[in-house]
Amino acid sequence: GQQVMQIPQYQHVQEGEDFTTYCNSSTTLSNIQWYKQRPGGHPVFLIQLVKSGEVKKQKRLTFQFGEAKKNSSLHITATQTTDVGTYFCAGPYQAGTALIFGKGTTLSVSS
Amino acid sequence: GAVVSQHPSRVICKSGTSVKIECRSLDFQATTMFWYRQFPKKSLMLMATSNEGSKATYEQGVEKDKFLINHASLTLSTLTVTSAHPEDSSFYICSAKTQDLGYTFGSGTRLTVV
Repeated sequence: GQQVMQIPQYQHVQEGEDFTTYCNSSTTLSNIQWYKQRPGGHPVFLIQLVKSGEVKKQKRLTFQFGEAKKNSSLHITATQTTDVGTYFCAGPYQAGTALIFGKGTTLSVSS
Repeated sequence: GAVVSQHPSRVICKSGTSVKIECRSLDFQATTMFWYRQFPKKSLMLMATSNEGSKATYEQGVEKDKFLINHASLTLSTLTVTSAHPEDSSFYICSAKTQDLGYTFGSGTRLTVV
């Protein structure tokens, strides 16, 4: 069935280092979305990418959508302790409007 | 922005009892609500899609008689865990697609069955 894979599962960095998480779908996606979930919290929408090869930036965060619309990445420049949390990529199920989530990448940052 | 209010945030119940979780869209109408389940340090797994005025659509492996979903109005969807068992202990989250980009999630309900 349709799957969304995400690596790495965990990443620990020193404050100021960069961080990247990668997402790969088994099927072509109409769009891909990224969410952040803080420990004990709920997922919060970060961004949606729709176009092939699209790149979007939000301050220190850079999101990319692959040319084939099957993979995506989130890159954080100069991480801060406030970046701690789990980052999920998600794409729409082929059969409907619900989202299928990757397993997430949990980022920890030490100062 | 769009807000989905979910209650309760935490609930502890005894085995065999039922628990109802409510999700309300506060400033928009949600004709469709999605219910997810999340185990500790795991991803969100779609349980069912709730449609206002019609029966919910359940994902494979989710027992519809155990997880009762009702979407009686454009702003309210409920999930009732019936005859709860300890293995039902989990984090349950609802979500709705908004007119803006992305989906809005409720704050989640942490269910512990003892």
